[in-house]
Amino acid sequence: AQSVAQPEDQVNVAEGNPLTVKCTYSVSGNPYLFWYVQYPNRGLQFLLKYITGDNLVKGSYGFEAEFNKSQTSFHLKKPSALVSDSALYFCAVRDMVRGTDKLIFGTGTRLQVFP
Amino acid sequence: NAGVMQNPRHLVRRRGQEARLRCSPMKGHSHVYWYRQLPEEGLKFMVYLQKENIIDESGMPKERFSAEFPKEGPSILRIQQVVRGDSAAYFCASSPPTGRDTEAFFGQGTRLTVV
Repeated sequence: AQSVAQPEDQVNVAEGNPLTVKCTYSVSGNPYLFWYVQYPNRGLQFLLKYITGDNLVKGSYGFEAEFNKSQTSFHLKKPSALVSDSALYFCAVRDMVRGTDKLIFGTGTRLQVFP
Repeated sequence: NAGVMQNPRHLVRRRGQEARLRCSPMKGHSHVYWYRQLPEEGLKFMVYLQKENIIDESGMPKERFSAEFPKEGPSILRIQQVVRGDSAAYFCASSPPTGRDTEAFFGQGTRLTVV
């Protein structure tokens, strides 16, 4: 079964410092991986995706993610955090096995950026 | 191009009543997905629909829950005889006809409170 794990419930970082939000995956077949962000009382906003190709994926708001096949990881990164980046971040894998098409989400990581 | 539209944004129901949640996908999107987010938890897949067809309902509770996506009009998630445990945020997402490199876009969600 397809799954993702986000080992950290919360990540704290000072504004201006680099940030990393971790995600590992377990899939059968090729992984289709996504990052979404959720601001309070809002829906999910798409940040970036890995389908194939370059292991470093660039997305919205200056975020990027590195796909690492040997470590089965897809960590989200940003070189310089902003207070406005504080939100809930979800990693997801797309499950297209046996005719379905759905996202399997991690439990989420709350990012807190301090001024 | 308007995004995924969900209504109502907030819904309060007494135990035993029915809840109807509506979702209008983005223009050109023929695939609709419903997810549920319990407080302080991640999103859990409920059902995947295409026009007039339920493709995967493996995440739907066996009783009281149903979903449809008619030829005309929005997708409806219906919860009969609601109980306190149904209180959650329900998110709808839509995507264009399936392709590996497409992503799903989410609505703002309907927050259901059962009193």
